[in-house]
Amino acid sequence: QVQLQESGPGLVKPSETLSLTCTVSGGSVTSGRFYWNWIRQPPGKGLEWIGYIYYDGTTNYNPSLKSRVTISVDTSKNHFSLNLSSVTAADTAVYYCAREPNSSSWLDFDCWGQGTLVTVSS
Amino acid sequence: QSVLTQPPSVSAAPGQKVTISCSGSSSNIGKNYVSWYQQFPGTAPKLLIYENNKRPSGIPDRFSGSKSGTSGTLGITGLQTGDEADYYCGTWDSSLNAGVFGGGTKLTVL
Repeated sequence: QVQLQESGPGLVKPSETLSLTCTVSGGSVTSGRFYWNWIRQPPGKGLEWIGYIYYDGTTNYNPSLKSRVTISVDTSKNHFSLNLSSVTAADTAVYYCAREPNSSSWLDFDCWGQGTLVTVSS
Repeated sequence: QSVLTQPPSVSAAPGQKVTISCSGSSSNIGKNYVSWYQQFPGTAPKLLIYENNKRPSGIPDRFSGSKSGTSGTLGITGLQTGDEADYYCGTWDSSLNAGVFGGGTKLTVL
């Protein structure tokens, strides 16, 4: 059974880069059957899709974040990563990684990490 | 402000039925499938419904989904106190080329 686990700093200073990693166990990021996503949720607010990466390196980002976001995959470590640059307090959120089957529909996230809270503060 | 519109809250008594609406537009719900998620405080969302009306393995048939035009609906029958949670709809927006969610609906089982 596949499991996803986010890891990274819980506190990031304004203007710096937020970096998180999602380690996949019980499955492989090289599987062409899935897209690997990042989603965030500010405290007390709703969900926001950040973007995804496919095993071949294809990415797609939310236009509202596109200029600051990079998602990459490391097949040797079976994990994928999120970098969000020039962060502000508005980027404070719980960040989730999630798996999405490669099918005819979108936003069918069938497996999620537990989430990690990242606070942007000096 | 979310691209998809959900009521902030709904409530019903145990054993009753409730529906949660998700209103979008021709570029999102009107063109693409709708998914629904259940989220308890402090936990990750859980997929309840995908492709408008399909349930993943392990999701009880008390949960159902439908879509008509640019709106989706989540139905929950036989309400239990354990169903109290936040519920989110999601879909792809073909104009934005991005995934979009509703703002979430808090279900209270009175």
